[in-house]
Amino acid sequence: SQQGEEDPQALSIQEGENATMNCSYKTSINNLQWYRQNSGRGLVHLILIRSNEREKHSGRLRVTLDTSKKSSSLLITASRAADTASYFCVPRSNDYKLSFGAGTTVTVRA
Amino acid sequence: EAQVTQNPRYLITVTGKKLTVTCSQNMNHEYMSWYRQDPGLGLRQIYYSMNVEVTDKGDVPEGYKVSRKEKRNFPLILESPSPNQTSLYFCASSLGTGVDEQYFGPGTRLTVT
Repeated sequence: SQQGEEDPQALSIQEGENATMNCSYKTSINNLQWYRQNSGRGLVHLILIRSNEREKHSGRLRVTLDTSKKSSSLLITASRAADTASYFCVPRSNDYKLSFGAGTTVTVRA
Repeated sequence: EAQVTQNPRYLITVTGKKLTVTCSQNMNHEYMSWYRQDPGLGLRQIYYSMNVEVTDKGDVPEGYKVSRKEKRNFPLILESPSPNQTSLYFCASSLGTGVDEQYFGPGTRLTVT
């Protein structure tokens, strides 16, 4: 399995602003998944983008994938206090093991 | 409601006292796995199971056992817990081979004294 590397490690924004975080990975993938974890709670799946897709939207979330650069980005628009969380990207190949990186910690200030 | 449940949610125990953390899913998922989360180390996979009676080691299997006798249940067993197993544990499941999105349980906070 391979691990995604999220950047930046931490991000602090004002409520209503957009938040962008990036993910890089090393080898070819089947899909890439983004998860959110509110403090001490279980991870929640946000969005899955397949290797043949370039962009995907879900509500206020926009994910892009550039397989040539082995990178992805997650944009959260019009952020809210409830978006305060850690965000993880998980690149998936055709194996059964999963690895999580350190994530990006987002703090939304009121 | 589709969900992954874990029990107990909180557990304080002593070194060497065997314990089991249960995990159950009601989505008929084939794939299940266990993770531990520690500050600064992120989420690390302990064991996973591709289907009934099929399990394999993740990145940090030492000190843990699992079993998958039924599709819906995937208990995590600590035969002789030690303080370095103090952690936040998550169970997760997914529909098929594991390439699908994971559904996580709420977590079990374990303290071993």
